[in-house]
Amino acid sequence: EAGVAQSPRYKIIEKRQSVAFWCNPISGHATLYWYQQILGQGPKLLIQFQNNGVVDDSQLPKDRFSAERLKGVDSTLKIQPAKLEDSAVYLCASSLQGKANEKLFFGSGTQLSVL
Amino acid sequence: AQSVTQPDIHITVSEGASLELRCNYSYGATPYLFWYVQSPGQGLQLLLKYFSGDTLVQGIKGFEAEFKRSQSSFNLRKPSVHWSDAAEYFCAVGARPWAGSYQLTFGKGTKLSVIP
Repeated sequence: EAGVAQSPRYKIIEKRQSVAFWCNPISGHATLYWYQQILGQGPKLLIQFQNNGVVDDSQLPKDRFSAERLKGVDSTLKIQPAKLEDSAVYLCASSLQGKANEKLFFGSGTQLSVL
Repeated sequence: AQSVTQPDIHITVSEGASLELRCNYSYGATPYLFWYVQSPGQGLQLLLKYFSGDTLVQGIKGFEAEFKRSQSSFNLRKPSVHWSDAAEYFCAVGARPWAGSYQLTFGKGTKLSVIP
């Protein structure tokens, strides 16, 4: 079974630049999540999609972050403009239906450094 | 809102020794509890989960965890640690703040080092 694919693996940008991350979840998984993991902290949920609709973006800084999941499969997360405090690992995860008792499958993440 | 506390930032144990990683949670209802492991450069992998029933839960790689409602704890244990267990361990609590939404709140993690 193929896992959750993320790209790029690493990204270095200067502040005020824009950046985009891509995620391909496990085939058939309806629910997709983006998490932000700052060094020394646990992952924090940014946004949750159910198919191609957003069900929770309460912790997404909407003035600079945006995400979409067209056709209910792949997803992109964008930051524009980036700030120094956005340096983190961005993890994508998916689950079959988004139920509380389901296992989340995580990708390896994109490590972002903002200089 | 739910929260998770992992009191130990870093633990070092000798190979073959027993291990216990502590986790305390705060949540108003019956919690869904998880332990995930993250190896360097890798995504998180589920070790075990608790929803209801038997409070002692068995997971992969020889890990187990015990849910204690009275102490709001869900500590992870392993009787004999292997060098390959060196990684970062995250405790998490799952909650549904509203219908359709599912939030998994993680602790800050405990980094495990294993001495040969």
